[in-house]
Amino acid sequence: DAKTTQPTSMDCAEGRAANLPCNHSTISGNEYVYWYRQIHSQGPQYIIHGLKNNETNEMASLIITEDRKSSTLILPHATLRDTAVYYCIVRVNAGNNRKLIWGLGTSLAVNP
Amino acid sequence: NAGVTQTPKFRILKIGQSMTLQCAQDMNHNYMYWYRQDPGMGLKLIYYSVGAGITDKGEVPNGYNVSRSTTEDFPLRLELAAPSQTSVYFCASTGTGFGEQFFGPGTRLTVL
Repeated sequence: DAKTTQPTSMDCAEGRAANLPCNHSTISGNEYVYWYRQIHSQGPQYIIHGLKNNETNEMASLIITEDRKSSTLILPHATLRDTAVYYCIVRVNAGNNRKLIWGLGTSLAVNP
Repeated sequence: NAGVTQTPKFRILKIGQSMTLQCAQDMNHNYMYWYRQDPGMGLKLIYYSVGAGITDKGEVPNGYNVSRSTTEDFPLRLELAAPSQTSVYFCASTGTGFGEQFFGPGTRLTVL
C-alpha cells in the first residue's frame, strides 16, 4: 500500500471550513483513499473514502486531484467537536485482508 | 446494536503475567482486527481475521495470540506481559464490503 504524508498539525476557526491535505504521490490505480479521525483516545471513526471522483457525505467532502497524487478532506463548518487527529490512508480494495496501514495523522485544533 | 465492545476498559499487569482482551461485535461482520496504539503514534495492526477459524499476523504480532471460534468474538491473548506491551488496544470489524471499519472504545493496558 502507498504511503501518505500529512501535516503534523493544523488550526481552524470555529464555523470556518477546515481543509486537511494529504499527499499520496505513489498511489496505484486501484488504491482507494480513506479518511478516519480519532477524538482524544477514543476508537477511530470512519469519515469518507474515494477512488477517483470527489465524494461527499454528511460529515465531509473528499477532493481527489486528477492525477490522484493528493487529496483534501473538507469539513465545511468546523465545530469544537471536530478537534481530533485525522488520518489519511490509501489501500487496495482487493484481496482478502482489508488491512489499513495507519500513519501519524494531522492533529486539527478547532478554536473558538 | 451495541457495535464493537471491548473488555476490560483498563488493566494493570505485572511483568510476566498473562491476560486476554475481549472483543465482540454484533454486526455479523466477517473481518475483525486488533490494533495497538502507543502514545502519539498511529495504530499498528497486531492480528486480523477474515472469518471464523481464520486468522493472520499483522505488523506487530510478537507476544500476542488470537483465536476466532465464532463470528462474533475475537479475543487477544497476551502471554508473559512485558513493559513494551503498555499501550491502548483497539478492536475493529468490517463486513464483506470495503467501507468503514467500526472500532471499539479500546482497552488501556499498563505493564509494570
